[in-house]
Amino acid sequence: AQSVTQLDSHVSVSEGTPVLLRCNYSSSYSPSLFWYVQHPNKGLQLLLKYTSAATLVKGINGFEAEFKKSETSFHLTKPSAHMSDAAEYFCVVRSGGGADGLTFGKGTHLIIQP
Amino acid sequence: NAGVTQTPKFQVLKTGQSMTLQCAQDMNHEYMSWYRQDPGMGLRLIHYSVGAGITDQGEVPNGYNVSRSTTEDFPLRLLSAAPSQTSVYFCASSYSTGSRGYEQYFGPGTRLTVT
Repeated sequence: AQSVTQLDSHVSVSEGTPVLLRCNYSSSYSPSLFWYVQHPNKGLQLLLKYTSAATLVKGINGFEAEFKKSETSFHLTKPSAHMSDAAEYFCVVRSGGGADGLTFGKGTHLIIQP
Repeated sequence: NAGVTQTPKFQVLKTGQSMTLQCAQDMNHEYMSWYRQDPGMGLRLIHYSVGAGITDQGEVPNGYNVSRSTTEDFPLRLLSAAPSQTSVYFCASSYSTGSRGYEQYFGPGTRLTVT
């Protein structure tokens, strides 16, 4: 069984300040972990993924995430927020067994204040 | 490559009607899946397929039917639409189920309203 908890439903930051979106997971197997972004009325776009290689993963648009097995966390960060980062962000886990589909967190809505 | 395409983009149904949401991919992916997205719920897996002729249920399969006769196409059928099926539906595909970590590619979504 696998699950994902996104600890904040909404995060609000000022433009130019750091972004932190928190994600904890549980998985019966060594997981693969993803962050997807969804802009309003759009589909989902992959930001980055962890697949048991380097624990610090760099993605598109300046985002990165660190896999911490001891804390079962995969938090998403960005040093400096931009207005175009305003969107819904989903943390996702995929394990090697069972249905092999993705299990999504409920999402974090990122608001960027000017 | 067109990637993952879905039709229609929008649909309004009356309770009890049936319809098929179309999904196609041109990347020769073995794995395809259907999700529904509801406010505050993230995306939930409805059905998935690991290859032509093979399908299985996900987390919320009731009221939906799928088949996979070709690698490219994975239609989702609503047998008798209910207001609870009002949602945004996403189709996704990826290279393999056996290799973890292959990202899924998502279609643009179908917004369905059942009145």
